[in-house]
Amino acid sequence: QAQVVQSGTEVKRPGASVKVSCKASGFPFSAYHIVWVRQAPGQGLEWMGWISGYSGNTNSAQKFRGRVTMLTDTSTATAYMELRSLESDDTATYFCARGASSGRGLWFDTWGQGTLIVVSS
Amino acid sequence: DIVLTQSPESLALSLGERATINCKSSQSVSYSSTNQNFLAWYQQKPGQPPKLLIYWASARGSEVPERFSGSGSGTDFTLTISSLQAEDVAVYFCQQYYDTPVTFGQGTKVEIK
Repeated sequence: QAQVVQSGTEVKRPGASVKVSCKASGFPFSAYHIVWVRQAPGQGLEWMGWISGYSGNTNSAQKFRGRVTMLTDTSTATAYMELRSLESDDTATYFCARGASSGRGLWFDTWGQGTLIVVSS
Repeated sequence: DIVLTQSPESLALSLGERATINCKSSQSVSYSSTNQNFLAWYQQKPGQPPKLLIYWASARGSEVPERFSGSGSGTDFTLTISSLQAEDVAVYFCQQYYDTPVTFGQGTKVEIK
């Protein structure tokens, strides 16, 4: 069945960068988008952006533009999200998910297990 | 940005009772011409990722029990759990995909009384 598996917990210093991977299986990678959503401790869900598995085109939330890079490696069906200039407020669990297209936006039908990123000096 | 406001913030019900969660959007997330409602619902249990329950406001996700149903259009949507089970204890989020940025409601916590 469709599955996405993420890389493990990272601890970073303020100002550093982090790169999270998201390996897909059980579905045609190029037929879907991969979306990134984060959740600060005890908080709600925040959309960061998504990338097309077909074209590599991206769409990211305004607050992350210039600080986030989303990539795919179609040969390994893996998506990556790099976040730069980390601050303590970036401490959160980062989820990737498969995005199902509505012709406008996407809903998210298969989620990874989450990657905890801790930013601390 | 489209703001989604859920109510109530939490609710505690007895096993077997009906749970109703509301999601109000700051603007319409529906196409009246095609009767499409760009709204989804997710369930998140402690320590787990969210799970898709409902999309297109009323279509159930894969292997989602029939006791979960969604309704509504325009700016007002509802998630109903017809008979609350112990395994339904979770936080529930609505999400609009009518426009970017995609936005989520703040969540509704459901507990057993």
